[in-house]
Formats: sequence, structure tokens, C-alpha cells
Amino acid sequence: QKEVEQNSGPLSVPEGAIASLNCTYSDRGSQSFFWYRQYSGKSPELIMSIYSNGDKEDGRFTAQLNKASQYVSLLIRDSQPSDSATYLCAVGNNNDMRFGAGTRLTVKP
Amino acid sequence: DAGVTQSPTHLIKTRGQQVTLRCSPKSGHDTVSWYQQALGQGPQFIFQYYEEEERQRGNFPDRFSGHQFPNYSSELNVNALLLGDSALYLCASSFVRAEGYTFGSGTRLTVV
Repeated sequence: QKEVEQNSGPLSVPEGAIASLNCTYSDRGSQSFFWYRQYSGKSPELIMSIYSNGDKEDGRFTAQLNKASQYVSLLIRDSQPSDSATYLCAVGNNNDMRFGAGTRLTVKP
Repeated sequence: DAGVTQSPTHLIKTRGQQVTLRCSPKSGHDTVSWYQQALGQGPQFIFQYYEEEERQRGNFPDRFSGHQFPNYSSELNVNALLLGDSALYLCASSFVRAEGYTFGSGTRLTVV
């Protein structure tokens, strides 16, 4: 079982729709959870962090965490073509951070 | 405020050679982590350095080694390069673990 699993996609949504990205993790002791966005040929950039169960909203982005289910999600409202990228789920535990393989999102105009 | 800087940007090496990649963390950060990202894959954790010591290591062979200097900058060394070592090598720095990492722009290593 992979430490961090994501639907590889690709996920395609029309402009203005809600994009839903999902992630599960295997280590119940994980303490911190992150979503990174990576444009093609670029390095990952942090867009959201969440540490406790529930929802966390930042502009058009909402991260959701359910530790009992070992599940993290990211919702992108009013998706824009500029949101087209690979979204990486990352899980932190003590001294390292492990990443999923990423979900490729395409927002069609 | 300078972010994380990595050098070189691109590198081509021959199988069997050795390579050194360099990273300067973001100002105020004291922890450096190295990742390998193959095309179409997520970053794979190599190791993390804090207070000039390797604090955690991922599932990488001993051919991969590193160092952290008193100014918090870091090097990644790979010996006996294999074709499979071709990847984007990412350096990430942090200060407080819970804040997430800041990534450099990476070094693209090609082994031929």
C-alpha cells in the first residue's frame, strides 16, 4: 500500500465548475496535511495546509480532513483555466513529508 | 526575500559518474529536504537535514548522500550514476514543520 494515494486522473472540468480532488494516507500518526500545485515544468507551490478535522477555506479553495477515514480532499470552486495543473497531496509526520503521485486537472474554457 | 535557490538548473552526466547538487534555503529556514521527481510521478523523499545532520531518510540507496553546512545550505551527492537517476531533484526548506515546505525550482539531471 502506498503511503499517500491520489486518483491519478486526468480530471477535466468546465470553467466555473467545482473540481474535487481526493487523497488517502496510510500512516494514522500523520500530523499535517498539504496541497501543492505544480504547473508543468515547474516546482510545487503550497496552496493549502490543514491540521485538524473539518474544513478550511481560503478563497476559492477548501481543504477537508477526516483523520478517522485517513482522507484529505481539496475543492476548487469556480474553476479557471489557470487552475489547470497537477495537484499533489502531501502528508507530514515528524521529520518528513510524503507526496502522492498527483492528480492532473484540466479546466476547459 | 530570496526563496530557495538550487544550482545548477540542468545537468547532463554519463552513467557511472558522480554529481553534486546545491541548495540554499529560504532566509530564516533551517531545515532542508531533498526529493527526486521522475516524469509523471510525485516527489519521492530522499532525506532531510537539520543542524548539519541527516535527520530522516527515505528509501534510497547509499549512493545518495548529503551534507548541510553551518549556514544551512545543503548538497546532494549521487555516486555511480544510473540511467534511472535521471529526474528532477527538488530541494525544499522549512522552519516550523507544520508550515509546509518551500521548494526551489529544481535541478534537472539527465544521465546518458
